[in-house]
Amino acid sequence: ELKVEQNPLFLSMQEGKNYTIYCNYSTTSDRLYWYRQDPGKSLESLFVLLSNGAVKQEGRLMASLDTKARLSTLHITAAVHDLSATYFCAVSGSGYALNFGKGTSLLVTP
Amino acid sequence: DSGVTQTPKHLITATGQRVTLRCSPRSGDLSVYWYQQSLDQGLQFLIQYYNGEERAKGNILERFSAQQFPDLHSELNLSSLELGDSALYFCASSAGQVETQYFGPGTRLLVL
Repeated sequence: ELKVEQNPLFLSMQEGKNYTIYCNYSTTSDRLYWYRQDPGKSLESLFVLLSNGAVKQEGRLMASLDTKARLSTLHITAAVHDLSATYFCAVSGSGYALNFGKGTSLLVTP
Repeated sequence: DSGVTQTPKHLITATGQRVTLRCSPRSGDLSVYWYQQSLDQGLQFLIQYYNGEERAKGNILERFSAQQFPDLHSELNLSSLELGDSALYFCASSAGQVETQYFGPGTRLLVL
C-alpha cells in the first residue's frame, strides 16, 4: 500500500521567514504533486514533479523531488500572510489515482 | 476556477437515504476521479473513470457507486447513508490518465 507522510502537520511561521515542508512516500512512483487548499475551498494544483532532481518554482514556493530517497520538499521563502493555507503532497498510485498526505496547515503571522 | 463543476454544493439528508452527486469535467478531459475528504480519514480516492470505463477503485464502500456517461459527466451515488458518510466529496478531471488532476469545488454532504 502506498503511504504518503507529510511533516510537519501544523506550522506557524512569521512573515519573512523561510521554512520547508517534507513529503515522504513509501513506494516507487513516477510523479508527485503539490496542491494548496484554502479553508472550505477546493484543491489548487501548485506543482507536478516528474523526475528525480526535478525542481519547480512559483513565486515564494519551490518544490523539489528526490526519487531515490522518495522525498519531496516544498520550500517557502520569505513567507507572507497570503500563503496561509493547507498544503498537500500526493503521489500517483493505482490507475493514476492520487494518494494524499494528511496535509500541512500553514499559518503565517505578522 | 478549475473548469470542473459539481452539483449540488451542499446536501443535507438523513440516515438511510440515497443521494446523487454530479460532476462535469473540464472540456476535453476524459478522466474523472472521485475523492472523499473528511477530518478523520483525510483525502481518500474513491473511484476513477476514463472515457466511460471504470479504471480504478480505491476505498469505495459497496453502498457507493458511480458512472461516467457518454457526454463524460459523472455521477456518484451514495445509498443507505450513515452519519460517517458526512464529508466533502470532490470530483477531479484530467486530460488523460497521467496529467495533472484539476479539482471541482466539491459537494459538502451532511447526514443527520
